[in-house]
Amino acid sequence: GAVVSQHPSRVICKSGTSVKIECRSLDFQATTMFWYRQFPKQSLMLMATSNEGSKATYEQGVEKDKFLINHASLTLSTLTVTSAHPEDSSFYICSVTSSYNSPLHFGNGTRLTVT
Amino acid sequence: SQQGEEDPQALSIQEGENATMNCSYKTSINNLQWYRQNSGRGLVHLILIRSNEREKHSGRLRVTLDTSKKSSSLLITASRAADTASYFCAAQGGSEKLVFGKGTKLTVNP
Repeated sequence: GAVVSQHPSRVICKSGTSVKIECRSLDFQATTMFWYRQFPKQSLMLMATSNEGSKATYEQGVEKDKFLINHASLTLSTLTVTSAHPEDSSFYICSVTSSYNSPLHFGNGTRLTVT
Repeated sequence: SQQGEEDPQALSIQEGENATMNCSYKTSINNLQWYRQNSGRGLVHLILIRSNEREKHSGRLRVTLDTSKKSSSLLITASRAADTASYFCAAQGGSEKLVFGKGTKLTVNP
């Protein structure tokens, strides 16, 4: 069965609005979750590492005030795209790992379209 | 950067043939992982090979790792149409995060 649940799978929003994406770890408590972004026919770009109970660690070039990450519990991390613009349209994927040196388990992704 | 780089970028074969994808990375690693992605979906983990391992098998999948050349390969034997997907390698170094390569898009024709 699924290890990670990500919602919504698709969302369309208007420019200037905010969108929240949820990522739930179903099988184990995840102190660390990862948020990726993928453009069409391209690889996954790591946006940030979400740490339970502390601030997320953002990759270079990712605006932390635009992509708000909250990891309030060991099973839930949320990514909020604030004041969305058409260029934020992309495929966002979360992943969790049970420990270092273990595989990542991915959600099914969220297709965001900003009109 | 630990980034993996796959080649070829695209591969088209007939059912029953073998498919080989290669991956190179830049710095020392603790493990290298291969993932599969169907269009519009999340990634599915295939195989993790540790830096002290040279070869690993899982069903029709075989992964090799050459740390001296900083390269890995994924072989899919007796391919099926259902194997059509994008395949990514990702190298893991001293932290939990993975950095993915650009992937190989595999098409298996019936």
